[in-house]
Amino acid sequence: DTEVTQTPKHLVMGMTNKKSLKCEQHMGHRAMYWYKQKAKKPPELMFVYSYEKLSINESVPSRFSPECPNSSLLNLHLHALQPEDSALYLCASSQAKGGNRANEKLFFGSGTQLSVL
Amino acid sequence: KNQVEQSPQSLIILEGKNCTLQCNYTVSPFSNLRWYKQDTGRGPVSLTIMTFSENTKSNGRYTATLDADTKQSSLHITASQLSDSASYICVVSQIKAAGNKLTFGGGTRVLVKP
Repeated sequence: DTEVTQTPKHLVMGMTNKKSLKCEQHMGHRAMYWYKQKAKKPPELMFVYSYEKLSINESVPSRFSPECPNSSLLNLHLHALQPEDSALYLCASSQAKGGNRANEKLFFGSGTQLSVL
Repeated sequence: KNQVEQSPQSLIILEGKNCTLQCNYTVSPFSNLRWYKQDTGRGPVSLTIMTFSENTKSNGRYTATLDADTKQSSLHITASQLSDSASYICVVSQIKAAGNKLTFGGGTRVLVKP
């Protein structure tokens, strides 16, 4: 299994809603990432978890709350989002094992297309 | 400032023809350079990863080159197919204490026409 699975594929939510994005991988990867991608723009890193601990938070607003319940799962909880938060949210994972992590391959999921009304 | 610049922004080619995409970067310290293919509404898929000591790497009809001295890379697509229509993203990696830091280029959107 070399897949990163994201659900849902599409999500429409109002600004007062609370929703969660889910990401799952069974490759034994110990680093997991959330990226945000606006149309025709490159992905922007939001969060990195390494061994289930948050290691990077790229100054993301608190209305985005990540959670890593175990080594296979990564969630992104959404609350009180703004219309400008509409984007493709990508999850990725990498092995994070060994001393040389430089050439780790990132495996991306297909993303959740989020629309905030 | 660490940047990755790609050119052209978009490209239309006829099926069966070759094309070359360019990537220039100022990211430092450099760890490796990656090319990804991203179909619309999908996640990026890795094509190649090159360290500073590698100057060429192939993956099927995709061949990437790297000149670490001039900080330039190219991705050559041979005998293009309709399925090559996608965005191609150049990504440069730095090693930071907290993990890999990736800087993404803006991508080149390739459209292959029959």
